[in-house]
Amino acid sequence: ETGVTQSPTHLIKTRGQQVTLRCSSQSGHNTVSWYQQALGQGPQFIFQYYREEENGRGNFPPRFSGLQFPNYSSELNVNALELDDSALYLCASSPAPPVGTEAFFGQGTRLTVV
Amino acid sequence: DQQVKQNSPSLSVQEGRISILNCDYTNSMFDYFLWYKKYPAEGPTFLISISSIKDKNEDGRFTVFLNKSAKHLSLHIVPSQPGDSAVYFCAASYGASQGNLIFGKGTKLSVKP
Repeated sequence: ETGVTQSPTHLIKTRGQQVTLRCSSQSGHNTVSWYQQALGQGPQFIFQYYREEENGRGNFPPRFSGLQFPNYSSELNVNALELDDSALYLCASSPAPPVGTEAFFGQGTRLTVV
Repeated sequence: DQQVKQNSPSLSVQEGRISILNCDYTNSMFDYFLWYKKYPAEGPTFLISISSIKDKNEDGRFTVFLNKSAKHLSLHIVPSQPGDSAVYFCAASYGASQGNLIFGKGTKLSVKP
């Protein structure tokens, strides 16, 4: 059973650029959630995908978007990067159903916007 | 407005003693609570959870207590070991959120040999 893997592990981008982060969910999991963890804060929910459909969204602007593929892997896209987007981005997968189940996290992608 | 609060940013405990990490919440709709442990350069790792219909859940050295009337939960680690040194996050969810987790800011636990 493979765990949740994210790529890349580190990334440096310039303000205004676009970035794509990738996540492979744990085997057998069809739900993927993305979280942003700023320095000194807890992870903050961005959105969730369940069977390729967006299934909930946190308080993030539309320039944060995502996709889930038939194999349940997922992408997080951020357009028009801002300095405050610098954070650790965490992907978590859950088995169906998503409610009340533990989420298994990847190691995260550290994004630095300069 | 923070719905899940961990008011102690750090905690230092001697090896072998009990570690008690606290968490308060404001949303009475929360029906599931979880604790995650995070080491540097790693993602959070699930530790233990509790449903709102219970007041205690135990797994080895880890016990979580839930006091719904006080909207408070705590994680007890007995005995504490140096390998337990990490940041501990309290998280909560409720049915309508489809399992999306709302995290506290975390408490950094240091267990000294």
